[in-house]
Amino acid sequence: SQTIHQWPATLVQPVGSPLSLECTVEGTSNPNLYWYRQAAGRGLQLLFYSVGIGQISSEVPQNLSASRPQDRQFILSSKKLLLSDSGFYLCAWGVSYNEQFFGPGTRLTVL
Amino acid sequence: LAKTTQPISMDSYEGQEVNITCSHNNIATNDYITWYQQFPSQGPRFIIQGYKTKVTNEVASLFIPADRKSSTLSLPRVSLSDTAVYYCLVGDGGATNKLIFGTGTLLAVQP
Repeated sequence: SQTIHQWPATLVQPVGSPLSLECTVEGTSNPNLYWYRQAAGRGLQLLFYSVGIGQISSEVPQNLSASRPQDRQFILSSKKLLLSDSGFYLCAWGVSYNEQFFGPGTRLTVL
Repeated sequence: LAKTTQPISMDSYEGQEVNITCSHNNIATNDYITWYQQFPSQGPRFIIQGYKTKVTNEVASLFIPADRKSSTLSLPRVSLSDTAVYYCLVGDGGATNKLIFGTGTLLAVQP
């Protein structure tokens, strides 16, 4: 069966510090992968998606970047965090037509 | 991707049937209608998807009228554990299978 992992589960970082969130998928090959952010009480905002190794598309201009060094690995990064980067970060993979399977998420608090 | 409109919140009691309606006036011919459920501090979970008429699975039913400009998610005999945010999405998937989430409907089930 397919599984998606995200870590860490929670993270508290100071403003200006770097960030690295990792997402890995098991049980599938060449998946479409996605990073979302959800601010408190809001809907999900699509940040990045990838249709293959090294292929990253950005949906919104921002302080974050994404990379896909391996087929089933998706990394979200920042060189210097801002207060506005706080939120709930979710990784997902495309299962089928309009269906995505989401990971457990990372709660990021920037102080 | 067609824009969707749904109520911000709804209240219900245990054992009742709940119907959440979503409006999508600009739905395109190739678009499917998909519903997700999200519990606090978790990623969204795919519930049901349809193109026209009625779709039913073990969790819910989806009613789509002939003009497809709206859809109704029906949850039979809700319980406290059905308290969650429900998202209606419309799209054709395409090569990237991107999803655009709105703010959803917060369903609160009371005892």
